[in-house]
Amino acid sequence: EVQLVESGGGLVKPGGSLRLSCAASGFTFSDASMRWVRQAPGKGLEWIGRIKSETDGGTTDYAAPVKGRFTISRDDSKNTLYLQMNSLQTEDTAVYYCTAGGGFWGQGTLVTVSS
Amino acid sequence: SYELTQPPSVSVSPGQTARITCSGDAFPKQYAYWYQQKPGQAPVLMIYKDTERPSGIPERFSGSSSGTTVTLTISGVQAEDEADYYCQSADSSGTWVFGGGTKLTVL
Repeated sequence: EVQLVESGGGLVKPGGSLRLSCAASGFTFSDASMRWVRQAPGKGLEWIGRIKSETDGGTTDYAAPVKGRFTISRDDSKNTLYLQMNSLQTEDTAVYYCTAGGGFWGQGTLVTVSS
Repeated sequence: SYELTQPPSVSVSPGQTARITCSGDAFPKQYAYWYQQKPGQAPVLMIYKDTERPSGIPERFSGSSSGTTVTLTISGVQAEDEADYYCQSADSSGTWVFGGGTKLTVL
């Protein structure tokens, strides 16, 4: 059974940093392109970025609102995806989901940016 | 990048057919994907590659495409289908884009 479990969310002050993790199991993580998607309270889904598999180059792409502030990485030895978030702003408040190709999603982790 | 436009809301009585549209220049060059999201839950993939249904998704859910518009059709709507529905596509580099979402209300 495929499982994606996010962790690391919480309350952080504007300008602060946070690192989210997504632990994967039930599929060959190293072969998968992985994505982060977020959803602000009461709003729609917003794609944040993607990291390809190492065999596909391991490259990353980001949405404009987070480019330069967020970094996606992966540790295939730990089957874990990461999202490093720096210079957080109040508008980054959202539930953050990791997804493997859209077919499998984690339960999400809430990030609240507030003073 | 692309923009995808969905109606904010669709209402239908139980047993009727609901159609949710999604328009954008991404189509028909790129595939469409549809997600169902219920309150407090993660999205669930309902349709992929315009018309394909993942295993476990009821047959009453179907997808179609015509020009720059894709449509999610729910035949014989049930109360449990009340949810938000999002279309999604990607550009040639693999960047995803979502539609704004449609709230389906079952009257």
